[in-house]
Amino acid sequence: DAGVTQTPRHEVAEKGQTIILKCEPVSGHNDLFWYRQTKIQGLELLSYFRSKSLMEDGGAFKDRFKAEMLNSSFSTLKIQPTEPKDSAVYLCASSFGGPSYEQYFGPGTRLTVL
Amino acid sequence: QQQVRQSPQSLTVWEGETAILNCSYENSAFDYFPWYQQFPGEGPALLIAIRSVSDKKEDGRFTIFFNKREKKLSLHITDSQPGDSATYFCAASESTGYQNFYFGKGTSLTVIP
Repeated sequence: DAGVTQTPRHEVAEKGQTIILKCEPVSGHNDLFWYRQTKIQGLELLSYFRSKSLMEDGGAFKDRFKAEMLNSSFSTLKIQPTEPKDSAVYLCASSFGGPSYEQYFGPGTRLTVL
Repeated sequence: QQQVRQSPQSLTVWEGETAILNCSYENSAFDYFPWYQQFPGEGPALLIAIRSVSDKKEDGRFTIFFNKREKKLSLHITDSQPGDSATYFCAASESTGYQNFYFGKGTSLTVIP
């Protein structure tokens, strides 16, 4: 079975650009998560979807970050406009849903904003 | 407020030693605690998990000890191997409501041959 797929693996953007990161969850999973990972802050939840419905939008990340789940097998995370402080690894994860289900993580997209 | 805290931030042990990674949490309603292992360039992967009804969970060389009263848990890695060198994340969630994990900031483990 295919795991979580994320593209691109690396992205370099100029300050002010719009970038779109893509994620394909594990087939059959109902929940999808977007996280930002940095050494200082660790894993921060950006968005959480259950059966394509947005359950949590990450509060502080709302203004420039927008995640969408276009169908059950594809999600995007748009950052607009990018800022240097957005440089981080962006992780997508999926699970069958419900409490205590394992989250399967993708390999991440490393974003560098110049 | 950090819901889940981990210590130490980094840990170095010799091959064959036992590595002990600590975790504490704030919310008494948390009742499920997975530990994730992450290698450089990869996403985290579930290593072992425990529910609050248990005080110990063992899987090979990996053991979780859980103290509900003190809201603490620890991951013990016995006979540490160089291949165990990775970052370990403790997480917590409630089994009611929707699934939202709170992750600690991780412990970076280095095992020296």
